[in-house]
Amino acid sequence: EDQVTQSPEALRLQEGESSSLNCSYTVSGLRGLFWYRQDPGKGPEFLFTLYSAGEEKEKERLKATLTKKESFLHITAPKPEDSATYLCAVQEGGSYIPTFGRGTSLIVHP
Amino acid sequence: NAGVTQTPKFQVLKTGQSMTLQCAQDMNHNSMYWYRQDPGMGLRLIYYSASEGTTDKGEVPNGYNVSRLNKREFSLRLESAAPSQTSVYFCASSEGTGWETQYFGPGTRLLVL
Repeated sequence: EDQVTQSPEALRLQEGESSSLNCSYTVSGLRGLFWYRQDPGKGPEFLFTLYSAGEEKEKERLKATLTKKESFLHITAPKPEDSATYLCAVQEGGSYIPTFGRGTSLIVHP
Repeated sequence: NAGVTQTPKFQVLKTGQSMTLQCAQDMNHNSMYWYRQDPGMGLRLIYYSASEGTTDKGEVPNGYNVSRLNKREFSLRLESAAPSQTSVYFCASSEGTGWETQYFGPGTRLLVL
């Protein structure tokens, strides 16, 4: 069973159509939850770090939230340039080994 | 600042050949990491180095060796490549000695025939 599950696997939106990506986790003692964006053929690019339930972070059209069991990445009025794969990763307290989800592939059509 | 750089960008090997993937960072980070990324799977940690002079195994270390040459450079070696090692390899670094925000390189695409 995966410790980090991202859903949906793929999402197609029209420009301006807001939606949310989900990252659920089963690790105990969460130390941090990370969101990354990955463009085709490139390395992941850091977006947000969340440390405790109730925490929220925003950057342009993106907003990340965290509960005790999951995190959401809300995309408001997306643009085609928001098309990418979004990765979620969690770090369990006391562990150096991060666990990444498989990612959500987002395509925003003009 | 170039950030994290990796060489080569693409490599084709025959089964049994060896090669070294190079990684360097210019952010004065203490920790460095090697991951592999396969289709349909999340990034998986191969090895990491929490500080200069130390290295530790990650989730999938078999078939690989690493060297933390100095604070800037962290190399990954495949002694005898196997088709199962066909993957995209990413190097990353982070500022502290724990696992915080990681900055990734552009990746090396490796094909083992």
